[in-house]
Amino acid sequence: AQKITQTQPGMFVQEKEAVTLDCTYDTSDQSYGLFWYKQPSSGEMIFLIYQGSYDEQNATEGRYSLNFQKARKSANLVISASQLGDSAMYFCAMRDLASGGSYIPTFGRGTSLIVHP
Amino acid sequence: GAVVSQHPSRVICKSGTSVKIECRSLDFQATTMFWYRQFPKQSLMLMATSNEGSKATYEQGVEKDKFLINHASLTLSTLTVTSAHPEDSSFYICSARDQKGSHTMNTEAFFGQGTRLTVV
Repeated sequence: AQKITQTQPGMFVQEKEAVTLDCTYDTSDQSYGLFWYKQPSSGEMIFLIYQGSYDEQNATEGRYSLNFQKARKSANLVISASQLGDSAMYFCAMRDLASGGSYIPTFGRGTSLIVHP
Repeated sequence: GAVVSQHPSRVICKSGTSVKIECRSLDFQATTMFWYRQFPKQSLMLMATSNEGSKATYEQGVEKDKFLINHASLTLSTLTVTSAHPEDSSFYICSARDQKGSHTMNTEAFFGQGTRLTVV
């Protein structure tokens, strides 16, 4: 079974509007971490935001916030006031305890976000 | 934030030759580095976990003799694609974690800029 599911292959949003990128995950661990990364066309992976499974508050980083619903196993990324430079691929990732005792990240398939002027 | 430098950013090589890709952590020591492969419009596929001073741990289906990984120091890991074929053409990207956070869950992994390999 896929550990990270991003159901939206592509999303469009008008500049200055908010957009939500969906992410659901699957793990039997109680302790895990959820990450969002942005990948522009240049290819680099840019870390955006982190949410720990024990964090009671939703993570926020500037215009990025993570809507964490633990019971539903979802960790949606909300981008407020979209900018043209937000156009990129967005990947949700989870780190849980793999065999051997180290934390290995698993990535979703990604969502392509296009911001229209 | 921490910086990971990956070199080269683009490489074109002939079929049958070998290509070496370097991943360096510039301002921190990385006990563990990860190597990923990414096909166009697809996700990152973990190839192997590179541990300083020991053998890399390869994911299922990844040929260790074809993708040689060497992690000789706390700041450098290399991926060598041996006897490259056109089907090896892809985007390869590394990431590294500060060794202080190697066994914690919330330490972010910093990524290199990626290497676009084209085998002709």
